[in-house]
Amino acid sequence: DTEVTQTPKHLVMGMTNKKSLKCEQHMGHRAMYWYKQKAKKPPELMFVYSYEKLSINESVPSRFSPECPNSSLLNLHLHALQPEDSALYLCASSALAVSTDTQYFGPGTRLTVL
Amino acid sequence: QKEVEQNSGPLSVPEGAIASLNCTYSDRGSQSFFWYRQYSGKSPELIMSIYSNGDKEDGRFTAQLNKASQYVSLLIRDSQPSDSATYLCAKQGIQGAQKLVFGQGTRLTINP
Repeated sequence: DTEVTQTPKHLVMGMTNKKSLKCEQHMGHRAMYWYKQKAKKPPELMFVYSYEKLSINESVPSRFSPECPNSSLLNLHLHALQPEDSALYLCASSALAVSTDTQYFGPGTRLTVL
Repeated sequence: QKEVEQNSGPLSVPEGAIASLNCTYSDRGSQSFFWYRQYSGKSPELIMSIYSNGDKEDGRFTAQLNKASQYVSLLIRDSQPSDSATYLCAKQGIQGAQKLVFGQGTRLTINP
């Protein structure tokens, strides 16, 4: 089973709203990722959690705040977003294998900021 | 030079033919390579991973890796209209195994 789940599937929010995206995996993976994908572009890495600790932050604006409550869950808290933040937000997970680590993606959350 | 380069296409192939997707990369130290398929509006789905020089086959899909030439390819035999999608080539980044570096993707259309 290589399933990563994400909620909600779609989210529309105003620039003053606070919302959260959720991601869950039950594969025993020890790394979880947030990516942002704009139309006709490849996914761009935002954050990586390894063993529940933030290991990579790709200079993402502070209006995006990640959280990893446990090894199966990953949240992305959103506050004071801009219209240009509208995109598909993808969660992924991997087992953290030494040299052959493979990332599996969830279905994504389509975010629209008005 | 981009770390991973793909021809963005579109690549148009008749149904039943072989579709050939190509990818080059700039870092000779890269170890792991992946092909993801992405349908419009959906998330990337892993098709193949390859780590050693040579060919790796899985059903209608064959991945080929040539580390000396820094070249990865994906062949799709007996192409079906359902194979129409964007194909993303990715490798483990220079800065660490956790960072996937993607190419721009090749849009493939299979014509019935």
